[in-house]
Amino acid sequence: AQKVTQAQTEISVVEKEDVTLDCVYETRDTTYYLFWYKQPPSGELVFLIRRNSFDEQNEISGRYSWNFQKSTSSFNFTITASQVVDSAVYFCALSGEGSTGTASKLTFGTGTRLQVTL
Amino acid sequence: GAGVSQSPSNKVTEKGKDVELRCDPISGHTALYWYRQSLGQGLEFLIYFQGNSAPDKSGLPSDRFSAERTGGSVSTLTIQRTQQEDSAVYLCASSHSGSWYNEQFFGPGTRLTVL
Repeated sequence: AQKVTQAQTEISVVEKEDVTLDCVYETRDTTYYLFWYKQPPSGELVFLIRRNSFDEQNEISGRYSWNFQKSTSSFNFTITASQVVDSAVYFCALSGEGSTGTASKLTFGTGTRLQVTL
Repeated sequence: GAGVSQSPSNKVTEKGKDVELRCDPISGHTALYWYRQSLGQGLEFLIYFQGNSAPDKSGLPSDRFSAERTGGSVSTLTIQRTQQEDSAVYLCASSHSGSWYNEQFFGPGTRLTVL
């Protein structure tokens, strides 16, 4: 079975602070993908990044960066110099080869609510 | 281009009534998914359609839930004899293909409230 754990339920930071959102996953698949989605107050889930299990290179996109470590089964997300517009719920998700051919479904973590204040 | 659209955005119904929720996927996307987001359960997979293949219904919580996808495009999720525990936001997503590595693009959701 697949499982995604986001232990941080809620984080509050002051604008311009850096913040890291943790994600730990469990899977028996050797090939899998990890995702991060953002859900702003408007409610629509916005895709941020996809990373496959064979690519452990860190990725940076503007103020966002992701650190994937297979050794600790973690895929953490860092926002540098946070802004009020970053306030949202962030979800980590996992999909894998699976064994039933129906692995296209995403397994989500419970989400981390980030509140950025002035 | 246009994203995934869902209707209605909000639905309030009385316990025991049937409801239909609609999803229009992104044009050209062959895979379509329904998820449910509720306070107690987080984001849960409900059902998945890929082309003309039989849908994966493994996430449907009871036989009161059903879904269909007509012409490989629009999908309707039907909940019969609604219960209060069905209150949630129902999210639809589509992806370019059903491959498990494709990112899924989500619609704005339908907020269902069962009184």
